Amino acid sequence: RKEVEQDPGPFNVPEGATVAFNCTYSNSASQSFFWYRQDCRKEPKLLMSVYSSGNEDGRFTAQLNRASQYISLLIRDSKLSDSATYLCVVLGGGADGLTFGKGTHLIIQP
Amino acid sequence: NAGVTQTPKFQVLKTGQSMTLQCAQDMNHEYMSWYRQDPGMGLRLIHYSVGAGITDQGEVPNGYNVSRSTTEDFPLRLLSAAPSQTSVYFCASSPGLNNEQFFGPGTRLTVL
Repeated sequence: RKEVEQDPGPFNVPEGATVAFNCTYSNSASQSFFWYRQDCRKEPKLLMSVYSSGNEDGRFTAQLNRASQYISLLIRDSKLSDSATYLCVVLGGGADGLTFGKGTHLIIQP
Repeated sequence: NAGVTQTPKFQVLKTGQSMTLQCAQDMNHEYMSWYRQDPGMGLRLIHYSVGAGITDQGEVPNGYNVSRSTTEDFPLRLLSAAPSQTSVYFCASSPGLNNEQFFGPGTRLTVL
């Protein structure tokens, strides 16, 4: 069974701090990796894709470690608006291969 | 573009009732899918479709049926609702699995 594991949190972080969390996956054949953001009672939305060479978008950096089978998300200079649940998504083999992690709950405190 | 739309937004059913959750997208996406999201369980795939006329089961298909007669529409049918089907249901579409999944706003279903 394909599994994607995340620390559910919550991570309570002061505004302006840097926060990082990881996501581990069990299927070594996994091909693509994504971070989605989900606000309370809303639908998930793509935050960023995770490439083998890493990916940076403003204050957000995502990295992939295939040897240890995890991806990471780093948020610098955190804002109150970053408070959300961050979902790790892994694409393995086959048409039904998208697996979502249960999410990490992040709370940015003023 | 409206993106992915879902109706209804909220629904309360009694055990044994049937109903259809509607999902439509106007982005000409081939891939569509249905998920349910429960507290502590994350998003779980119910059914998916890789194109019109093609559907397949996901992780938790029991109690649900789908059809894909057009590219745009992907309705989810609950045959005989059970309290265990109380959940938030999300429909998603994308050009392919390796692309961004666009989610609808969700349907919050309660089965009494």
